[in-house]
Amino acid sequence: NAGVTQTPKFQVLKTGQSMTLQCAQDMNHEYMSWYRQDPGMGLRLIHYSVGAGITDQGEVPNGYNVSRSTTEDFPLRLLSAAPSQTSVYFCASSTAGAGNQPQHFGDGTRLSIL
Amino acid sequence: GIQVEQSPPDLILQEGANSTLRCNFSDSVNNLQWFHQNPWGQLINLFYIPSGTKQNGRLSATTVATERYSLLYISSSQTTDSGVYFCAVITQGGSEKLVFGKGTKLTVNP
Repeated sequence: NAGVTQTPKFQVLKTGQSMTLQCAQDMNHEYMSWYRQDPGMGLRLIHYSVGAGITDQGEVPNGYNVSRSTTEDFPLRLLSAAPSQTSVYFCASSTAGAGNQPQHFGDGTRLSIL
Repeated sequence: GIQVEQSPPDLILQEGANSTLRCNFSDSVNNLQWFHQNPWGQLINLFYIPSGTKQNGRLSATTVATERYSLLYISSSQTTDSGVYFCAVITQGGSEKLVFGKGTKLTVNP
């Protein structure tokens, strides 16, 4: 049982490039979410999904797109990377809802935008 | 939106000491969770505690939702307890958005 798997673990991009951060879970969880963690800021919610085909915005959604075509996968897309998006990104999942069940986190993706 | 304040921001202990971390929130919440981020960056869910008290080994947590705070107790601290402790809340009203505090950084020295 792998839990929540994020790939890649590290990535360096140039300003303006695009990329997709992958997140997959094998626990049949309905709820999945993306956070970014910046020094001194804690974790901030980017986007979340309560099930396949359903996504919604979190606290800091600008510059990011998501889709949820399957229960297992929840990719995060940066269409045109900016230095302000340099951060550590975490994906999380739970059986149902953000507050009703413990959240399971992936190990994170450390992203640097030059 | 809801404000989540954690204190203290930094805490340094000697191994074996006890500590209390606090989480205050500005609005009524449906739920509260405590997480530990280890020095390697991994986030582990410690407690899911909307109210009352729970214990897990040397760690325990108490949430008093009516007074809008939660406490995390660490007894007989060990070096492996080092890291950052976060609390996170969900506001009432059917929100699915988990809001995190900025964390308490704990360092336990041998």
